[in-house]
Amino acid sequence: GENVEQHPSTLSVQEGDSAVIKCTYSDSASNYFPWYKQELGKRPQLIIDIRSNVGEKKDQRIAVTLNKTAKHFSLHITETQPEDSAVYFCAASTEGSQGNLIFGKGTKLSVKP
Amino acid sequence: GAVVSQHPSWVICKSGTSVKIECRSLDFQATTMFWYRQFPKQSLMLMATSNEGSKATYEQGVEKDKFLINHASLTLSTLTVTSAHPEDSSFYICSAPKGSSGGETQYFGPGTRLLVL
Repeated sequence: GENVEQHPSTLSVQEGDSAVIKCTYSDSASNYFPWYKQELGKRPQLIIDIRSNVGEKKDQRIAVTLNKTAKHFSLHITETQPEDSAVYFCAASTEGSQGNLIFGKGTKLSVKP
Repeated sequence: GAVVSQHPSWVICKSGTSVKIECRSLDFQATTMFWYRQFPKQSLMLMATSNEGSKATYEQGVEKDKFLINHASLTLSTLTVTSAHPEDSSFYICSAPKGSSGGETQYFGPGTRLLVL
């Protein structure tokens, strides 16, 4: 089955700097890759997603890139702010946005003011 | 965005009792829902796929007789933790996909925190 690896497990940056989180997946049939932000005790919130027919997607300060050949995708956050501090999870699905999600282990991002 | 609710938001029970958790899609119909479990400081682990009108599909290592899933309608799935034990204490989260395979995404419920004493 699908296996999703996520790095780093923790990331600390200064406010205003960029943060990059990387994930790799094992199943070449995966075609949907969402990123979630989870604050302590709360539900995961979708922040951006990308489908396998696209190589890059951007939404304001957040961008995701996908390399299907290498089977990895990355989350880029620019101009980080203290409120970006949270745990971020990548995930993959072989059935688009309708299928079950296999999650990475998460990255705890701390943005220092 | 769509709304998915869960009830209860938290529950404390004695070891050996059963606990039912409800997951509802409030403004859309969901023929499929997913149940995840999240232990402290860990990731979400898929437990099972709930299918309206048919049996649930369980992930490897998840006991179907212990975690009973019933997808009673197009807007409701329930997870019953039977004979709960302290090791079942966790954060249980459901999700429901909305829309066609070409668009939309999954919406997560707020989660249910279970503590078994």
